Amino acid sequence: DIQMTQSPSSLSASVGDRVTITCRASQSISSSLNWYQQTPGKAPKVLIYAASSLQSGVPSRFSGSGSGTDFTLTISSLQPEDFATYYCQQSYSFPITFGQGTRLEIK
Amino acid sequence: EVQLVESGGGLVQPGGSLRLSCAASGFTFSSYWMSWVRQAPGKGLEWVANIKQDGSEKYYVDSVKGRFTISRDNAKNSMYVQMNSLRAEDTAVYYCARVGQQLAAGRNPLDYWGQGTLVTVSS
Repeated sequence: DIQMTQSPSSLSASVGDRVTITCRASQSISSSLNWYQQTPGKAPKVLIYAASSLQSGVPSRFSGSGSGTDFTLTISSLQPEDFATYYCQQSYSFPITFGQGTRLEIK
Repeated sequence: EVQLVESGGGLVQPGGSLRLSCAASGFTFSSYWMSWVRQAPGKGLEWVANIKQDGSEKYYVDSVKGRFTISRDNAKNSMYVQMNSLRAEDTAVYYCARVGQQLAAGRNPLDYWGQGTLVTVSS
């Protein structure tokens, strides 16, 4: 199975900050990496697919990069609604696996 | 508007069974792979199973193989998961999700999710 490791596990930041979250796969997954945002009590929402493609309707302050084993999610200027938990997920092979999550909190 | 609505959750004793349903609307259900994903209380996301458009291919996480069965009825725009021999560690919110078609080559994200249904396994 492909293990997905996110860092950091939690992060404190302020509105307007630039934030980067990292995800590492235990083996190459090409660009089959997706990012999700989840707020408390709600279902996850896809932000980025195929490592760097912005899902329709998602603000352009979100961006993704990487390929192979190392990936990043960047939020260019944090907004109040961005404080949430973020998950990476590999869709390269079964079993599909998620990272453990990164909790983004208000400083 | 795409909608996915799960139902069937509840409290069940260890060793018991439960069948979850996912009712889909707002898209051509029979054209999409579908997934179940779960989230234990206070924990992260765990993929459970996927089913192909016509039900001919099914994939499971190891921890549920032999106990859970995913299925679908395209005539009813519905997906199901039959959960047998339930354990305390199966306690979670279970989400139904659609596998998108953003990429022609496959390996797509889960682009729509239901609100989830809570399954509690406890005596």
